[in-house]
Amino acid sequence: QSVLTQPPSASGTPGQRVTISCSGSNSNIGGNPLSWYHHLPGTPPKLLIYNNNQRPSGVPDRFSGSKSGTSASLAISGLQSEDEGDYYCAGWDNSLSGVVFGGGTKLTVL
Amino acid sequence: EVQLVESGGGLVQPGGSLRLSCAASGFTFSDYWMSWVRQAPGKGLEWVANIKQDGSQKYYVDSVKGRFIISRDNAKNSLYLQMNSLRAEDTAVYHCVRKSPGDWWGQGILVTVSS
Repeated sequence: QSVLTQPPSASGTPGQRVTISCSGSNSNIGGNPLSWYHHLPGTPPKLLIYNNNQRPSGVPDRFSGSKSGTSASLAISGLQSEDEGDYYCAGWDNSLSGVVFGGGTKLTVL
Repeated sequence: EVQLVESGGGLVQPGGSLRLSCAASGFTFSDYWMSWVRQAPGKGLEWVANIKQDGSQKYYVDSVKGRFIISRDNAKNSLYLQMNSLRAEDTAVYHCVRKSPGDWWGQGILVTVSS
C-alpha cells in the first residue's frame, strides 16, 4: 500500500487529453513539492514535472502538473503513442522523513 | 551531460552483503543530495535512502534501517550503498539518483537475493 495513491491504469486515444491523479496527506503533498516521472521498462525513469508544475528543459508543454491541498494531477494533452508507460508521483513526507512514491499508473494509448 | 553509472550488483545469498557504487559525472557532485531508489520485479518504485551534500544527514526507508548504509566520497564523485543482512525482498533494480526526489537517474543495477 503506497503512501501516495494513484489509479492503477489510465487510457486514451491519440490526440486526447488524459489526467492522472495522486492523492496524499498534509505530511507529503500538502506540505511539500511534488514530482512526476515517466518510466518505460528497461530505461531509467524520466522527470516530467518538479515543484508541482515546473517542466525540466526538453519536456514538451503537453505535460502539465497541478496541485490543490493534498491532491495533485498530471495532465497529458495531445496524447501520443510514445506516452505509453508507467507514471509515478513522488515527494518528501515529513512524518516518515523520507521520499514517498505513488503506486504508479499504467497509461495505455489505444 | 549528467551520467550516473551503478556497479556492484549481482547474485547474493540471503543474509549476505553487497556494496553498490555509483560513479557520477557531468555535474558538481558535491552540490547535490543523492539517493538510491529501487524497483522490485513487477512492483513500483521505492525510495531506499538519501544523503546530504556533505554526508551529515542520511535518511532510510524503514525496511532497510539497520541493514543498509548510504555513504559518499565527494573527492571521487561517488555514491555507495552498503547492503547487509540481505533478504529475498531486497531483490530489485537499484538506481542511483541525483537529488531527492530525483531529477536524473542512472540506468540501474540488478541485485538478486536468492539461495
